[in-house]
Amino acid sequence: DIQMTQSPSTLSASVGDRVTITCRASQSISSWLAWYQQKPGKAPKLLIYKASSLESGVPSRFSGSGSGTEFTLTISSLQPDDFATYYCQQYNSFWTFGQGTKVEIK
Amino acid sequence: QVQLVQSGAEVKKPGASVKVSCKASGYTFTSYYMHWVRQAPGQGLEWMGIINPSGGSTSYAQKFQGRVTMTRDTSTSTVYMELSSLRSEDTAVYYCARAAAIWGSLEGHNWFDPWGQGTLVTVSS
Repeated sequence: DIQMTQSPSTLSASVGDRVTITCRASQSISSWLAWYQQKPGKAPKLLIYKASSLESGVPSRFSGSGSGTEFTLTISSLQPDDFATYYCQQYNSFWTFGQGTKVEIK
Repeated sequence: QVQLVQSGAEVKKPGASVKVSCKASGYTFTSYYMHWVRQAPGQGLEWMGIINPSGGSTSYAQKFQGRVTMTRDTSTSTVYMELSSLRSEDTAVYYCARAAAIWGSLEGHNWFDPWGQGTLVTVSS
């Protein structure tokens, strides 16, 4: 099974900050990676697919990069609506999620 | 618009079974795989399995093999997830999630969009 490791687990930041979340795969997954945002009591929402493709309707301050085993999600200027938990997901071989990164207000 | 509407919350006793439904609308039901994902309280997301609504073929995560059954009813555009031999650790919100694209397989290469609203299953004596 492919394991996904996100870091950090929690991130404290302020509005306007540039935020980066890292996701590492236990083996190469090419670019078969997605990022989701989840708010309390809500279903996850797709942000990024194929490592760097922005889902329609998602603000351009979100971006994804990487391939192989190392990936990043970047929020260029954190907005109040962005405080949430973020998950990476590999879909190269079945499906596995990272453990999540909670972005909280500093 | 594409919409997935799940059945309501359930409370079950240990050892019982639960069957959660997910009714799809706004697209051709048989063209997109459907997944089930669960989330225990305060925990992360866990993939349970996938069903091809066209032929009914399935693939389950090893952890749930033998305890989970996914089925579909094409006449009502509904998929079902039944989990048996429930234990307290199965207390979670269960989500259905559609494959975002029509390509892919039962073994990967499709991501999830959209998701259902979730169904809370509580297992308690």
